[in-house]
Amino acid sequence: NAGVTQTPKFQVLKTGQSMTLQCAQDMNHEYMSWYRQDPGMGLRLIHYSVGAGITDQGEVPNGYNVSRSTTEDFPLRLLSAAPSQTSVYFCASSYSVGAFGGEQYFGPGTRLTVT
Amino acid sequence: GNSVTQMEGPVTLSEEAFLTINCTYTATGYPSLFWYVQYPGEGLQLLLKATKADDKGSNKGFEATYRKETTSFHLEKGSVQVSDSAVYFCALLNFGNEKLTFGTGTRLTIIP
Repeated sequence: NAGVTQTPKFQVLKTGQSMTLQCAQDMNHEYMSWYRQDPGMGLRLIHYSVGAGITDQGEVPNGYNVSRSTTEDFPLRLLSAAPSQTSVYFCASSYSVGAFGGEQYFGPGTRLTVT
Repeated sequence: GNSVTQMEGPVTLSEEAFLTINCTYTATGYPSLFWYVQYPGEGLQLLLKATKADDKGSNKGFEATYRKETTSFHLEKGSVQVSDSAVYFCALLNFGNEKLTFGTGTRLTIIP
């Protein structure tokens, strides 16, 4: 099992550019989520999905879109990048919402810089 | 709403020292509590968890006890090693909400 994989590892964008951060898991997990990690703020939930075709907003969804067409993939789209979106982005998955006491498996992260 | 408060870092200790990282929480109902660890350049990994009051989670020499009366879940280790250098996150999951709420993280550095 590869677990949770994310690409790219690093990305630099100019303000106004768009891009998609990729996330895939091979554990047949229903629940997937995206977090951003900023210094002094811990991890904040951007969007999450409880299954294919179902997504919902987290704590900081503005400027981001998601879709979940398959169980395995959960891409995060930045529509028009802004410097405030400079962050480290983590994708996570778990078997189901609330199952196993909420143990989530995290990808290695994507470090995004917007200039 | 839910919130988690961790002690401010960074924390620097000598090898074999005793470690405590404080964590308190605010939540309705009976949340599950977690400690996650992030080693340099990696994603988060679950370190330990407790799902009800008075439960003790333990792993790799780390322990934390779910104290409902003080709404706390402090992380402890009796003798730290250089390899324990990482960022530690306290988190809670409140069933019905189903979203992990994280603290801000505590950076721990162990010097030989």
